[in-house]
Amino acid sequence: NAGVTQTPKFQVLKTGQSMTLQCAQDMNHNSMYWYRQDPGMGLRLIYYSASEGTTDKGEVPNGYNVSRLNKREFSLRLESAAPSQTSVYFCASSVGRNEQFFGPGTRLTVL
Amino acid sequence: GNSVTQMEGPVTLSEEAFLTINCTYTATGYPSLFWYVQYPGEGLQLLLKATKADDKGSNKGFEATYRKETTSFHLEKGSVQVSDSAVYFCALRGPRGRRALTFGSGTRLQVQP
Repeated sequence: NAGVTQTPKFQVLKTGQSMTLQCAQDMNHNSMYWYRQDPGMGLRLIYYSASEGTTDKGEVPNGYNVSRLNKREFSLRLESAAPSQTSVYFCASSVGRNEQFFGPGTRLTVL
Repeated sequence: GNSVTQMEGPVTLSEEAFLTINCTYTATGYPSLFWYVQYPGEGLQLLLKATKADDKGSNKGFEATYRKETTSFHLEKGSVQVSDSAVYFCALRGPRGRRALTFGSGTRLQVQP
């Protein structure tokens, strides 16, 4: 099993460019999450999807949109990237309120 | 709201030393508590968890006890190895409602041979 996969691993954008971070899981989990990790701040929740067809805002949703494409895939879109969005982004999945499994992360730099 | 406070790092120890990483939390009700570990270049992995007061989570020689009276969940290991070098995150999940986790800021552990 691949678990949770994320693409790309690294990305450099210029201010104002757009991009989509992809996440997929093969564990048949119903819940999926997007977090960002910044130095000294731990992980903060951007958006989550409790089940296919539903999405909800987390702690820091501004500047992001998400799509739960199907049960396996949950994408995160930056419509107009800003330097403040330079971060490491982690996708995670779980069965309900059980253990969350994390992907390897995407390191994004916005110049 | 919920919050988690961890001791700042880095923590530098010699191999076979005793490890304690402090974690305290603020939450309503009885949250579930977790320790996650992040090895260099990887995502987070669940290390251990406890779901009710006085529970002890343990895994790979690491232990943590859920202390409701002191709102703490300190991570301990009796004898660390070089391979334990990583960043450790304390986290909680509220007793009801949203499934997402609230994380502490992380503590980097460096174990020297």
